[in-house]
This record gives sequence, structure tokens and C-alpha cells, in this order.
Amino acid sequence: DAKTTQPPSMDCAEGRAANLPCNHSTISGNEYVYWYRQIHSQGPQYIIHGLKNNETNEMASLIITEDRKSSTLILPHATLRDTAVYYCIVRPHGDDKIIFGKGTRLHILP
Amino acid sequence: DARVTQTPRHKVTEMGQEVTMRCQPILGHNTVFWYRQTMMQGLELLAYFRNRAPLDDSGMPKDRFSAEMPDATLATLKIQPSEPRDSAVYFCASGIEDSASTDTQYFGPGTRLTVL
Repeated sequence: DAKTTQPPSMDCAEGRAANLPCNHSTISGNEYVYWYRQIHSQGPQYIIHGLKNNETNEMASLIITEDRKSSTLILPHATLRDTAVYYCIVRPHGDDKIIFGKGTRLHILP
Repeated sequence: DARVTQTPRHKVTEMGQEVTMRCQPILGHNTVFWYRQTMMQGLELLAYFRNRAPLDDSGMPKDRFSAEMPDATLATLKIQPSEPRDSAVYFCASGIEDSASTDTQYFGPGTRLTVL
């Protein structure tokens, strides 16, 4: 079972920041938070991951709360191409498996 | 731009027929995963390999499904005999083991299977 809880859907206006929340209240000390997204008719795509520090790359930023029980994925300037299902995944270090939940369907509105 | 490739992209077959799906992982990647996606179950891990050896196939129905890696550049997933409930999109992903596990998985475009 997925160990994360995400809202089923969200809307965001084009050009604005999209903030996608994820709850993982039972996360363990050796578990990382990963984010993938799946654009319609494509395979999932890795976005970012982190353990306890905030992370940023060319795609997004990941903010993890101090207690690590929740996190937020931030797409700073959302475009229509960011419309996708976003999966928040908790995964132990040393474990190859990814358990996908239902994710959040993000709609970017023109 | 290195990518995982999968063939065929679409397959329609009749119940009872054998189906073979192929995957070419990214060159240099030593871990290959097979997933299945349906509306009801979402994305499920079926099996995965490291250095061509099967590590885990617990997600795969054993009686009709088989997965192999004949060489480092080819992974196959076979269903024999196929059933309508096998209709789904099958994704292959590859990655590089980093110290203990495969950090990032790169997914192919999927094979959409319809069994009539």
C-alpha cells in the first residue's frame, strides 16, 4: 500500500506556482520522498527526491517539513504541459521498488 | 537523448493467444522493471531484474506471465495464454543501481494491450 495521501485533483492557473501537497505521517527515518509525474499516454517521469532538506532542480522544488510528515512539490511557473498526474512516493533507501498511489491530477488552466 | 524503448506500442489480440512485449533499456542501465497500469489498480510492479538476473517477480501472475532478459539490451514480458483481464498498459523502466538501490527509474512509453 502507498504510504502517502494526496488530493485527487487540483487546478492551477498557467504561469502561477503549482503547490502539490503530500502527507506521509508514518514515514521512517531512512525513507526518502520521491515525486514522479505521468503525462497522458506517457510513462511516469522522475521529478525530484529528498530526505529531509529542501531540494531544487530544473523542474521543481521539494519542501519537506521539519518533522518529515508532509511535503510540497512546487512547480514555480506552471505551463499547460505540466498537466499530469503527480505521484508522491515514500521509499526506503536500499529498496528498488516504487509503490505508486493514486496521485494528484493537476489541471493547468489557460 | 537516451530513452527506454518498447515494442509494440499497441497490441490487440484474441483471448488464448501468446503476447510478447519487448523493452530496450537505456544503454548502461543494469536494472530493468516491468509495470502494469489499469484504471482499477493503477501502476503495479510486476517484476524486475538486475544485471539480467530476476530479483523479484512477486507481482506477476506466475501461471501465465514470464519475464526474461536474453541479453543486457533486451527484456521481454510474455503472456501465454492471454486473457481479457490482462488488458492494460505495460511499462518498462530502467535505471542504474547506486550503492544499494536504483535511485531513479526511467520509463518507456508503454505497450497498450487489448485482449478480446
